[in-house]
Amino acid sequence: GIQVEQSPPDLILQEGANSTLRCNFSDSVNNLQWFHQNPWGQLINLFYIPSGTKQNGRLSATTVATERYSLLYISSSQTTDSGVYFCAVNFGNEKLTFGTGTRLTIIP
Amino acid sequence: ETGVTQTPRHLVMGMTNKKSLKCEQHLGHNAMYWYKQSAKKPLELMFVYSLEERVENNSVPSRFSPECPNSSHLFLHLHTLQPEDSALYLCASSQEPAGRTDTQYFGPGTRLTVL
Repeated sequence: GIQVEQSPPDLILQEGANSTLRCNFSDSVNNLQWFHQNPWGQLINLFYIPSGTKQNGRLSATTVATERYSLLYISSSQTTDSGVYFCAVNFGNEKLTFGTGTRLTIIP
Repeated sequence: ETGVTQTPRHLVMGMTNKKSLKCEQHLGHNAMYWYKQSAKKPLELMFVYSLEERVENNSVPSRFSPECPNSSHLFLHLHTLQPEDSALYLCASSQEPAGRTDTQYFGPGTRLTVL
């Protein structure tokens, strides 16, 4: 199956800082999603982005499918951005495979 | 609020108990999923239902028994669990039947502790 690696595993930043989270995957994909899991466990989908670039407020994501990676950018971080960010991918009829996540902590 | 609800939010049970987790989606989706999230491990897909039919069972022990009475409701029946089954159990739904290429929407999860 597809392997998904996320980096860094942990990230601690001051409020207002910018950050870049990376997701590498081992094979071609036709589905890539970014999720944010808040400290209470709720997973919220941020982007469906198998290729290209999308922006939503302070968040944006870019997937370069030919090079098998995706980046999630968070600008002007707020404490509510804290949590774990997951990348999940699949190809064809394979199940969605999740990475181990990046734990982001924003300090006031 | 994602449109997917789960009850209970927290559950503590003994190894000999029988309990059920409930999931309901208010999005009109055709596929529903159960995931297990253990500490320090990626989310593990347990079951997939598409149009009320089970289409995937990822080698889950028989002490976990899913039920999908209609496209809006999904249950996970639990019996004779082990302490290592303690985890966050997440339900999700998506538009496409067994949707592989669209967005999944998650419920808030049930945090299960097995004593």
